[in-house]
Amino acid sequence: NAGVTQTPKFRVLKTGQSMTLLCAQDMNHEYMYWYRQDPGMGLRLIHYSVGEGTTAKGEVPDGYNVSRLKKQNFLLGLESAAPSQTSVYFCASSTTGNTEAFFGQGTRLTVV
Amino acid sequence: AQKITQTQPGMFVQEKEAVTLDCTYDTSDQSYGLFWYKQPSSGEMIFLIYQGSYDEQNATEGRYSLNFQKARKSANLVISASQLGDSAMYFCAMRGWNSYKLIFGSGTRLLVRP
Repeated sequence: NAGVTQTPKFRVLKTGQSMTLLCAQDMNHEYMYWYRQDPGMGLRLIHYSVGEGTTAKGEVPDGYNVSRLKKQNFLLGLESAAPSQTSVYFCASSTTGNTEAFFGQGTRLTVV
Repeated sequence: AQKITQTQPGMFVQEKEAVTLDCTYDTSDQSYGLFWYKQPSSGEMIFLIYQGSYDEQNATEGRYSLNFQKARKSANLVISASQLGDSAMYFCAMRGWNSYKLIFGSGTRLLVRP
């Protein structure tokens, strides 16, 4: 019963490097979300998807790209990492309508 | 546009007492859902309770209840009989039926004192 799985759990990047965070869900959910959480702050929406092949910008999309080629996977890419992108990243998924979102365990990313 | 406001950065409560965590929201959607999540120090996000905008009754889940006042656009979480394990960050969130975005407030850190 995996739910939402994020890969990797931890990563250290050098400024300017690129990387992709993977979110996989096995609940056949339509909606998927990427958030970042900075110390003492809430979750800020980066990008989201309402179905396979669709993506949309959230509150803080700059510096990130996403793709949803398969319904179960939602990828978050950093093309050129910056120290300001040091954060904990959460992925979530949900069905449509009035149901809660299920979260992954988070990815702690440090950009030096 | 959607917005969630949690004005209490930190709260203290004595064990076994009740506590109310405030949440106000703003949305242009006619239909929407309101959620509360708990984030303990271990970091995972735990769903607590849901309230739909057209639900006439306030939602309850065990020791959690949601005090929903639609005209005031508030959705406060009430925790009854606080326990030490309730010490955590609590986030209010909202999703509009037309906008699909699930957005969060800045959170309230609750500390339960023995």
